[in-house]
Amino acid sequence: KAGVTQTPRYLIKTRGQQVTLSCSPISGHRSVSWYQQTPGQGLQFLFEYFSETQRNKGNFPGRFSGRQFSNSRSEMNVSTLELGDSALYLCASTLGAGEGEQYFGPGTRLTVT
Amino acid sequence: GIQVEQSPPDLILQEGANSTLRCNFSDSVNNLQWFHQNPWGQLINLFYIPSGTKQNGRLSATTVATERYSLLYISSSQTTDSGVYFCAVFQAAGNKLTFGGGTRVLVKP
Repeated sequence: KAGVTQTPRYLIKTRGQQVTLSCSPISGHRSVSWYQQTPGQGLQFLFEYFSETQRNKGNFPGRFSGRQFSNSRSEMNVSTLELGDSALYLCASTLGAGEGEQYFGPGTRLTVT
Repeated sequence: GIQVEQSPPDLILQEGANSTLRCNFSDSVNNLQWFHQNPWGQLINLFYIPSGTKQNGRLSATTVATERYSLLYISSSQTTDSGVYFCAVFQAAGNKLTFGGGTRVLVKP
């Protein structure tokens, strides 16, 4: 069974631009969560989706948004990029709606210049 | 919110040595996971262990939920064990994992 996939793997953007990252969960998994990892703040929760509904969002500005499609694939979007948005963005998938084991993708490394 | 603290922050080991990594958390949790982050950034699942003890090869983990801590044991360490180890706890109320700050392990040959 294929693992969690994320595209693109690397991305370089300029301040003020916007970016869309994609995550495909493990086949059959219905929940997708997104996390941001930076050297200063560590790993922080962004949002979680189940059945196309955002059920929880972390403490990030409104420039960070996401969605989930009917096939469970998810996208996150960051608008008006800032230098501080440079980070590794990780997505994780879980089988069901609750507290099951989370499996992570390889991440998208975003650099904002 | 819940606080997750890992110790030590850094660990240098000679190949073949044993070690214990600790994860303390400040509130009750529904489950706990241990991960190893590889040099390319991917989090590799080690254990899903809300309570009790599990073993996988040279690694084992114990979670004592009532006392709010978990331990990860590495025995007969190898250079490939180098990297950052994270524990993360899940609370159903928040529907998310909260990560500790990690323990950076370097195993020298």
